[in-house]
Formats: sequence, structure tokens, C-alpha cells
Amino acid sequence: DSGVTQTPKHLITATGQRVTLRCSPRSGDLSVYWYQQSLDQGLQFLIQYYNGEERAKGNILERFSAQQFPDLHSELNLSSLELGDSALYFCASSVLDSQNTEAFFGQGTRLTVV
Amino acid sequence: AQSVAQPEDQVNVAEGNPLTVKCTYSVSGNPYLFWYVQYPNRGLQFLLKYITGDNLVKGSYGFEAEFNKSQTSFHLKKPSALVSDSALYFCAVRDNTDKLIFGTGTRLQVFP
Repeated sequence: DSGVTQTPKHLITATGQRVTLRCSPRSGDLSVYWYQQSLDQGLQFLIQYYNGEERAKGNILERFSAQQFPDLHSELNLSSLELGDSALYFCASSVLDSQNTEAFFGQGTRLTVV
Repeated sequence: AQSVAQPEDQVNVAEGNPLTVKCTYSVSGNPYLFWYVQYPNRGLQFLLKYITGDNLVKGSYGFEAEFNKSQTSFHLKKPSALVSDSALYFCAVRDNTDKLIFGTGTRLQVFP
């Protein structure tokens, strides 16, 4: 168990809908990352937050948004869903000091858009 | 820009034989390199990392990785493969905004 919790584990929704994925980082980790894993794209970085502030942005679509709350949990909002958004969405967290540079991943949310 | 490459989509090895999963990197400055493993329907699990120091890094489950600066490589190795090692392996590099950039992954298949 990595200590990173993602909910829900599975989500099935229709095209055009909006969903929210939730992530609770490991205790003490200030940095949260979101990744998308699809069969043909590998692991794609979406966005990173550090202590509530956006720190880095990847190839995140305008239909997607995220935030990190004061209690450090994070939510990824996906709207106007398309079939191609079906993927595994991972959250990861890390401490980000000079020695503890690795990120720990949650089990992921499998999103199926029908 | 920082990047890693995993040249093999799949590696097949017999149980008990040594295994190597290859990774090369391209970074400016000193690299922070990582290996992760993903079992079916699971998240990524951290195996090991290289920050500085010894070129041979030991990690979880008997895995180790060798950092080679001249060849810009960070290959994952294990002296004796187990069937249970069969999984998807990802090499990653930390970039200057501290996010991880992943390779495309290598599927390791260990045959009994």
C-alpha cells in the first residue's frame, strides 16, 4: 500500500458528462501529480500541484481541470467527456526534498466513457 | 528537455536466468532516475532510484540498476528472474519542475 488513495476505483459514464476524480496523498506529502495512462499513449503527465499551488502543467486538455485543497487532497475534473478520454488516471504524491525524490502512486481510477 | 527511452517493448526470459530491462536517458545536468513496476490492474510501485553516488543501485524485490554516465543508460537488472516478476516496467527521469517523465514501458515476461 503506497499510502495514496484514489476514489472511485472505477467510473463508467456517458459522452458529454462531467466527472470528478479524487486523490488523498500520503501523509506529509505536499506535492500531487496527475497522470493519464491509455493503451496507445503510455503514461502522460497532466498536472502537478505543490502545497495548493499549480507547479507544472503537461498536455492537459482545456476540458480538464484540477485543484489541490488546503488539506492537500486533490481533485481532477473532466468535462464534456469523449470516448477517447477512457483511460486509467493516476494520482501520485511526493515529499520533494533533496533525498526523497520519488513519487508514490495510487491504484488509479479506471474511467470508461460510453 | 528531459526524456527517457525504453527501446524494448517486451523482454522474455526463462525463470532463473538473469534479466535486463534497458533504459537510456537524455537530461541536462545531473539526472534523477527511477524504475517503477506495474502489475495488472494496479498502480505503479517504486523499485529504486539513482540520485548520486554509487553507480549500482539496489532496490526492492532483488532488483538493481546500473547508472552509466558515458552511455547515458540506467538498465534494470536482476540476477535470477522469477515468474512473479512478470509485469510492466517503467523507467523515469525527474525534470527541472520535479515531475516524473516516463518511458513507454517494457513488458517483462518470465517463463517457467
